[in-house]
Amino acid sequence: QITLKESGPTLVKPTQTLTLTCTFSGFSLSTSGVGVGWIRQPPGKALEWVALIYGNGDKRYSSSLKSRLTITEDTSKNQVFLIMTNMDPLDTATYYCTHSGSSSIYGMDVWGQGTTVTVSS
Amino acid sequence: DIQMTQSPSSLSASVGDRVTITCRASQSISSLLNWYQQKPGKAPKLLIYAASSLESGVPSRFSGSGSGTDFTLTITGLQPEDFATYYCQQSYTTPYTFGRGTKLEI
Repeated sequence: QITLKESGPTLVKPTQTLTLTCTFSGFSLSTSGVGVGWIRQPPGKALEWVALIYGNGDKRYSSSLKSRLTITEDTSKNQVFLIMTNMDPLDTATYYCTHSGSSSIYGMDVWGQGTTVTVSS
Repeated sequence: DIQMTQSPSSLSASVGDRVTITCRASQSISSLLNWYQQKPGKAPKLLIYAASSLESGVPSRFSGSGSGTDFTLTITGLQPEDFATYYCQQSYTTPYTFGRGTKLEI
């Protein structure tokens, strides 16, 4: 059974750097075509695709957030990290961690429960 | 980036109805279109992948169709648990953009 769980701070101040952790089980990121991604959703708004990483080191980012994002992984600990710099109140959202197989072409089939991040001074 | 346009943004229906939600891509995405259902306070759930393939465990009243730029999600025989927000998402090329969602209400 595949599970993912997000963790990180619930409150950050503007200009600070956010680091979120996705801890997963039931699969290996080293498996070809398997990806772990991040999706976010501001309160009352639509889903926004943020970033994706594959075990081969391939990393993909949102065009609008690319300059502020880094996605990394620790395969030995089954964890993926999302680092977002220069946080702004507009980054207030629920952040979801997702699993996808087959190089993500068939969608994100398992989601974490999400973690809510508020950006406020 | 590929833009995904969903319509309508909201839809009122009744139990037993047949409803259709459409999604249009700003360029051809072949059949690499996925549909998700999200209920309030919950994570989205994958319903349909590759435009028309039903995810395991999803009831057969959900169906998807389309290719190229135009896609539809159809729910035949609405059930009370189907009232939710539905999103389309393209997986043709990153960034894997979503539509703005369709809220299905009673």
